[in-house]
Amino acid sequence: GQSLEQPSEVTAVEGAIVQINCTYQTSGFYGLSWYQQHDGGAPTFLSYNALDGLEETGRFSSFLSRSDSYGYLLLQELQMKDSASYFCAGLSGNTPLVFGKGTRLSVIA
Amino acid sequence: DGGITQSPKYLFRKEGQNVTLSCEQNLNHDAMYWYRQDPGQGLRLIYYSQIVNDFQKGDIAEGYSVSREKKESFPLTVTSAQKNPTAFYLCASSFSHLGGNYGYTFGSGTRLTVV
Repeated sequence: GQSLEQPSEVTAVEGAIVQINCTYQTSGFYGLSWYQQHDGGAPTFLSYNALDGLEETGRFSSFLSRSDSYGYLLLQELQMKDSASYFCAGLSGNTPLVFGKGTRLSVIA
Repeated sequence: DGGITQSPKYLFRKEGQNVTLSCEQNLNHDAMYWYRQDPGQGLRLIYYSQIVNDFQKGDIAEGYSVSREKKESFPLTVTSAQKNPTAFYLCASSFSHLGGNYGYTFGSGTRLTVV
């Protein structure tokens, strides 16, 4: 099976940069996704990395290293509205996404 | 606008009752999923379906049942055999089970409480 590990909580200052790490153990790995979920809301898709390297989408970037079984989500120019939970999710074999337990990001003034 | 709709938003179940959660999508997605989320936890897969009239068990299928009679609809029944059903239930869909660059689209969820 798969397992993904990420920190449970991260706190950062408004305007700063924060990195949320994710390590995974899986066989037949295809790629790593990131989702954002505000309290009580639905998860929303942020990014997907199938190849090693950095993918940038506005203030958010996501990185994958297959050799290290590791990825991260980078959020720049943090805003208060970025306070949410962030989940990494692994895609492998012939099965649906497996999610990590999530990282709760608190942005403080 | 295309999207995925879950109903009801809140649901209360008495002990021993079966309840059905609705999930409808108009995105023309082939694959649909049900996940369960407990406080402070990630999403755990209950059931998924890649095509009409076919579905597979996920990691925590015991006490749940599903059907996929139409491409647009994937209802979840929480049976009395599910001993701890209080949770937030999320339905999702994607073009294929691989998701990939397009990701999964999630509904707004149903919060089920046992009373």
